[in-house]
Amino acid sequence: DTGVSQNPRHKITKRGQNVTFRCDPISEHNRLYWYRQTLGQGPEFLTYFQNEAQLEKSRLLSDRFSAERPKGSFSTLEIQRTEQGDSAMYLCASSGDYTGELFFGEGSRLTVL
Amino acid sequence: TQLLEQSPQFLSIQEGENLTVYCNSSSVFSSLQWYRQEPGEGPVLLVTVVTGGEVKKLKRLTFQFGDARKDSSLHITAAQPGDTGLYLCAGAETSYDKVIFGPGTSLSVIP
Repeated sequence: DTGVSQNPRHKITKRGQNVTFRCDPISEHNRLYWYRQTLGQGPEFLTYFQNEAQLEKSRLLSDRFSAERPKGSFSTLEIQRTEQGDSAMYLCASSGDYTGELFFGEGSRLTVL
Repeated sequence: TQLLEQSPQFLSIQEGENLTVYCNSSSVFSSLQWYRQEPGEGPVLLVTVVTGGEVKKLKRLTFQFGDARKDSSLHITAAQPGDTGLYLCAGAETSYDKVIFGPGTSLSVIP
């Protein structure tokens, strides 16, 4: 078991471009979460999946953000028309049960110039 | 709306001192987790507390879940520089709800 894998680890893009992040969870885990984190703050919930079903999406998330988890395996998070305020660390986590214990990847750091 | 608050926000102490950080909510949680995060890395799970009044110990760390399952504390005895990091509490109201995080306590232990 290789743990949760995220890529790319770092992405620098210009304002207005689209970016996509990928997350490969621990293979037997059925829940997958995306969070956004800025420096010194706690992770902010974005969305989560139970297998391939997206259960909830944060109301704070604009329509420029979309996430998918086809076939209940890996997940992608796409940000369209990026803005400087999107600069943050995007964290993915997976969970194999209902205890709420999450296993995180190392994150994808986005810088929008 | 679920909300977790943590205090203090920042804590800087000398090596060998004891400290306590707090996690509070107006909501009842089915379980609470504590994580530790170092710069540039994802949070790492330290412990889960499930039963009201529960106390768990992990070496020099002691975790307590409030009787009403609305709050939790983390006590570190004889802090070491390796304890430096961002301490996060997290939880979900039920096992079917999303997991939310508090804002974190940034701990710095000075040698």
